[in-house]
Amino acid sequence: AAGVIQSPRHLIKEKRETATLKCYPIPRHDTVYWYQQGPGQDPQFLISFYEKMQSDKGSIPDRFSAQQFSDYHSELNMSSLELGDSALYFCASSTDNYGYTFGSGTRLTVV
Amino acid sequence: GQQLNQSPQSMFIQEGEDVSMNCTSSSIFNTWLWYKQDPGEGPVLLIALYKAGELTSNGRLTAQFGITRKDSFLNISASIPSDVGIYFCAGPSGGYQKVTFGIGTKLQVIP
Repeated sequence: AAGVIQSPRHLIKEKRETATLKCYPIPRHDTVYWYQQGPGQDPQFLISFYEKMQSDKGSIPDRFSAQQFSDYHSELNMSSLELGDSALYFCASSTDNYGYTFGSGTRLTVV
Repeated sequence: GQQLNQSPQSMFIQEGEDVSMNCTSSSIFNTWLWYKQDPGEGPVLLIALYKAGELTSNGRLTAQFGITRKDSFLNISASIPSDVGIYFCAGPSGGYQKVTFGIGTKLQVIP
């Protein structure tokens, strides 16, 4: 069965650079979520989209933005990267319940 | 916002032993979710509970939705080495299908 696809799997950026993370949800899933997971931490909710509209916002820095496109894929844009942005970034998708399916994540390292 | 307290935070057990972990909430939940995360991978949904008192099994895993709606537990019977990982409880935290995670229980199985 198709899963949530995230790219790239690994990304290394320098401070103050910009990064774009992509997420392709499971077909027919209408909701996409982005989570950030620091080392040894639980996933923290960043932002979500339902039918291409932002549905909820968590602790997402102003330097980050995201959108969901007409084909339902989503991109998380991160600017002016800081060392503290180094983390695993997960995308998840769902239909009409809380049983998310997560992607394998993008490991971002800021140096 | 909603807070989830998960315990224990880590456990070492012998292969073949049974494991129990639990999660409590500061407020009432209508849904409880249990996820497992392997290193470097996204969390995978193990069991979803939607009704107070519900007891649900998935192979060697059993989870229950507490009657008070403020707690849930997950049991793993006859543990095996591949049970190693971090187990997260999660529940709705307001917003459209937004989910909050507990801090996780790190399970180590000694062969």
